[in-house]
Amino acid sequence: DAKTTQPPSMDCAEGRAANLPCNHSTISGNEYVYWYRQIHSQGPQYIIHGLKNNETNEMASLIITEDRKSSTLILPHATLRDTAVYYCIVPSTSPQETSGSRLTFGEGTQLTVNP
Amino acid sequence: KAGVTQTPRYLIKTRGQQVTLSCSPISGHRSVSWYQQTPGQGLQFLFEYFSETQRNKGNFPGRFSGRQFSNSRSEMNVSTLELGDSALYLCASSLSLAREQYFGPGTRLTVT
Repeated sequence: DAKTTQPPSMDCAEGRAANLPCNHSTISGNEYVYWYRQIHSQGPQYIIHGLKNNETNEMASLIITEDRKSSTLILPHATLRDTAVYYCIVPSTSPQETSGSRLTFGEGTQLTVNP
Repeated sequence: KAGVTQTPRYLIKTRGQQVTLSCSPISGHRSVSWYQQTPGQGLQFLFEYFSETQRNKGNFPGRFSGRQFSNSRSEMNVSTLELGDSALYLCASSLSLAREQYFGPGTRLTVT
């Protein structure tokens, strides 16, 4: 998997936008960027993914830079329930590996939404 | 649509025993992956199954095994349990390979 770098922690005020950055400078042209989050003691939750274009769904927006070396996950109106560890993952699609969905989770970013 | 279900949710075993964990994927999903989460090692990939075949395997000893049935349900087995196997075991399903994964709530295994 392409290595990703995220800040270990971030704070955000409730109701404000939370912008979580991720660097993935070694990403290959056909590799997607995925975002998951894990609320304490629960299973990880899929948020969004993208390849080149910006993406938006009911949970968040994903902004990928033109050179694809970094991305930002945006939670437009953060709530207390958005407090979680957020993981940015770039699964490998190397032809040397068996095709599959292996996810390599790093340390992620602990987002704390404050009242 | 029902999410991924895992049974049991909690389990206590003693060293040397074996354990079988079960995972039912989201209806229509054909790929099932397993992960182990511990405070020290974080979330680590165990293996992935698609169409009853193991497609990918993480760096775990042979005591960890799994299988997938024709209805896409999956089981994982850990034999000769060690204290270090205490962890949250997570199952995730996806429509196919290399697609977004949806996780279950996990099985909390405690080995004493």
